[in-house]
Amino acid sequence: KQEVTQIPAALSVPEGENLVLNCSFTDSAIYNLQWFRQDPGKGLTSLLLIQSSQREQTSGRLNASLDKSSGRSTLYIAASQPGDSATYLCAVTRLTGGFKTIFGAGTRLFVKA
Amino acid sequence: DTAVSQTPKYLVTQMGNDKSIKCEQNLGHDTMYWYKQDSKKFLKIMFSYNNKELIINETVPNRFSPKSPDKAHLNLHINSLELGDSAVYFCASSLSDRGNTIYFGEGSWLTVV
Repeated sequence: KQEVTQIPAALSVPEGENLVLNCSFTDSAIYNLQWFRQDPGKGLTSLLLIQSSQREQTSGRLNASLDKSSGRSTLYIAASQPGDSATYLCAVTRLTGGFKTIFGAGTRLFVKA
Repeated sequence: DTAVSQTPKYLVTQMGNDKSIKCEQNLGHDTMYWYKQDSKKFLKIMFSYNNKELIINETVPNRFSPKSPDKAHLNLHINSLELGDSAVYFCASSLSDRGNTIYFGEGSWLTVV
């Protein structure tokens, strides 16, 4: 059974700081991994998708890495801004059994101005 | 021109009632989903449809019945509502059922009193 864990559960940083959010999963047989952002009272917005054959993906100030063998992914946010404050969720799609996507509980990020 | 839209956004109803949540996507996707996010913010898949056919049906009470009249719509009907059904229900879609980027609606906040 695939389980996705995100650490820390919450994080508060001053503006301008670089930060790393962690995601771990128990079954390395994944199809891909996605990072999402969720603002309060809103739906999820996809940030980055990493295929199982890839090691990382970048979009602007965001960089996501994937180490499938160790069951880990990190989301690196450079030069954080108050607008980055949100909950960040990691999700892995299983390789078998209907390509089901399993979500972590998320990391709540607060960037102080 | 919202990509995935769901209605209503807020719904307060009494125990025992029957209610429906509607969802439409204008992205031309083949696959649509219903997710449930509980009070602890865990996001879990309920149903997945590909080309109007049910492909994922998690352990969800029979009181929940999805209906997909066409590829662009996936509605959720809930019978005999219970207090424990209170949650945020998210509709989502993706290009296919093979782990593509998932696009979420803004959520429907259901409160059963």
